[in-house]
Amino acid sequence: DIQMTQSPSTLSSSVGDRVTITCRASQSVYSWLAWYQQKPGKAPKALIYEASSLQGGVPSRFSGSGSGTEFTLTISSLQPDDFATYYCQQYNTYPWTFGQGTKVEVK
Amino acid sequence: EVQLLESGGGLVQPGGSLRLSCAASGFTFSPYAMSWVRQAPGQGLEWVSSISATDGRTDYADFVEGRFTISRDNSKNTLYLRMNSLRAEDTAVYYCARLSSAIENWGQGTLVTVSS
Repeated sequence: DIQMTQSPSTLSSSVGDRVTITCRASQSVYSWLAWYQQKPGKAPKALIYEASSLQGGVPSRFSGSGSGTEFTLTISSLQPDDFATYYCQQYNTYPWTFGQGTKVEVK
Repeated sequence: EVQLLESGGGLVQPGGSLRLSCAASGFTFSPYAMSWVRQAPGQGLEWVSSISATDGRTDYADFVEGRFTISRDNSKNTLYLRMNSLRAEDTAVYYCARLSSAIENWGQGTLVTVSS
């Protein structure tokens, strides 16, 4: 199975900060990488697919980059609604696998 | 608006069975592949199974070990997950998901608790 490792596990940030989350795959997933946002008690929300394509309705302050084994999710200017947990997921190979999550919390 | 409404969760004893349903609305169901993803209490997301739109191909996580069956009824716009031989470690919120490349839409989830 492909292992997905996110860093950091927790990120303490303030409104307006630029935030970067890294996701590493144990083998190449090409660009078959997605990012999701989840708030406590809620279902996840899709943010990015194919490493860098924004899902419809997602604010442009979110961006994704990378290919192969290293990927990043960037929030250009953190907003109050962005405090949440973020997951990466590879869908290149079954079984699909998720990273362990990165919690973005208030500093 | 895309809506995915899961049902069928609840409390079940170890070794028991449940069938989860996911009623889809707001889009044409048949052309889309679908998945189930679960989340144990306080834990991360875990992919369970997927079913294709066209040829009925199914895929499962290793931990399923033949106990779960994903299926769909396009005439009813409904996705199913039949779960047998349930274990305590299957306790989780189970989410239905619509696929378009990656997961594009998620349901609100249904809680399955396996306990005696």
